[in-house]
Amino acid sequence: ETGVTQTPRHLVMGMTNKKSLKCEQHLGHNAMYWYKQSAKKPLELMFVYSLEERVENNSVPSRFSPECPNSSHLFLHLHTLQPEDSALYLCASSDYAGYGYTFGSGTRLTVV
Amino acid sequence: GQQLNQSPQSMFIQEGEDVSMNCTSSSIFNTWLWYKQEPGEGPVLLIALYKAGELTSNGRLTAQFGITRKDSFLNISASIPSDVGIYFCAGGGATNKLIFGTGTLLAVQP
Repeated sequence: ETGVTQTPRHLVMGMTNKKSLKCEQHLGHNAMYWYKQSAKKPLELMFVYSLEERVENNSVPSRFSPECPNSSHLFLHLHTLQPEDSALYLCASSDYAGYGYTFGSGTRLTVV
Repeated sequence: GQQLNQSPQSMFIQEGEDVSMNCTSSSIFNTWLWYKQEPGEGPVLLIALYKAGELTSNGRLTAQFGITRKDSFLNISASIPSDVGIYFCAGGGATNKLIFGTGTLLAVQP
């Protein structure tokens, strides 16, 4: 498999559920990112990992918890989400320079 | 924080027409990138620009890095139905963080 793969593609969860989003990259990149995409808003950067170390947390609520066990895998753990958290969650990876992110297809999350 | 103003927000055109969209910023960027996003998919890189004044083509797409480093435009010539999607500009600074524009929705009528 090549590129950036995200699973699941679609997720519906209740506000009391706990779920995880998974991202895997096969490009040999050193940095990975989580973005949130809501309707009529710019892509919002949530977290940046560089060499498996979190280098940025953009004031994201603690109900979102990222994990980067190695340079190829990135997770976003979700718990007690709110309906306004419903969005497309995109994972991306890049080399050190950060030029030309490669995005996954995203996970469409609906919180009910 | 840094913001990118992308215009127009949407375009509805006939097949065969040329398209132009642009991004402006109050901040200087070191790189400009243009992405296209189709329904149900993540953004896909179309063109990357690394130097002020640079003009780069990718098939029917042409993009330029503004000389002031605060703007960029994307042109699509002779549009076809598969050009439909949302086009995003993105600016890169000294770090590996990209700032994205709000997107231009393009609809092409056959």
